[in-house]
Amino acid sequence: DPKIIQKPKYLVAVTGSEKILICEQYLGHNAMYWYRQSAKKPLEFMFSYSYQKLMDNQTASSRFQPQSSKKNHLDLQITALKPDDSATYFCASSQWGSSYEQYFGPGTRLTVL
Amino acid sequence: QQKVQQSPESLIVPEGAMTSLNCTFSDSASQYFAWYRQHSGKAPKALMSIFSNGEKEEGRFTIHLNKASLHFSLHIRDSQPSDSALYLCAVNNSAGNKLTFGIGTRVLVRP
Repeated sequence: DPKIIQKPKYLVAVTGSEKILICEQYLGHNAMYWYRQSAKKPLEFMFSYSYQKLMDNQTASSRFQPQSSKKNHLDLQITALKPDDSATYFCASSQWGSSYEQYFGPGTRLTVL
Repeated sequence: QQKVQQSPESLIVPEGAMTSLNCTFSDSASQYFAWYRQHSGKAPKALMSIFSNGEKEEGRFTIHLNKASLHFSLHIRDSQPSDSALYLCAVNNSAGNKLTFGIGTRVLVRP
């Protein structure tokens, strides 16, 4: 059974619209993250949450808003979508602490037309 | 801000040969150094990690860290076609859980 679930797997959106990317983890971890990977760029850290509290935000734009309704959920709401937002968005989880391995979900591939 | 760079960009190795990958980082206070492997269309998956200077071996994989030279490496002995993938090095920040990744080295192992 998959331990980190991301929905949907693929998403196509029009410029200016809003979408929510879903992430649930069943590893019993207390920390969750969002990363983004686009062509020709490194896998890029966006947010970290621990015990449902925002710990770090490296996303310059307020159009990206994480939402944690339960301790094993961390969704990502993206508003006013732009073509540059096209990327694969990975959710990850771990125990909180610098020495713990982060486990990645399968990703949501977002295309903005 | 942490900068992580990888070399080479891509590599073709014959089956059975040694694959050697390099990673440099900029923050000398970094504490955690890892290699992730990502097959096409899949999630990155951690291969190995190291915390202190030296070497660590797990099966065919060896990771080597030299903090003074801000460098760590991954060596894959007896490379197999199934090792063909994108290899990402990752370094944690000194304040917590943010992983900074390199852009990756694409490895192709030819039978």
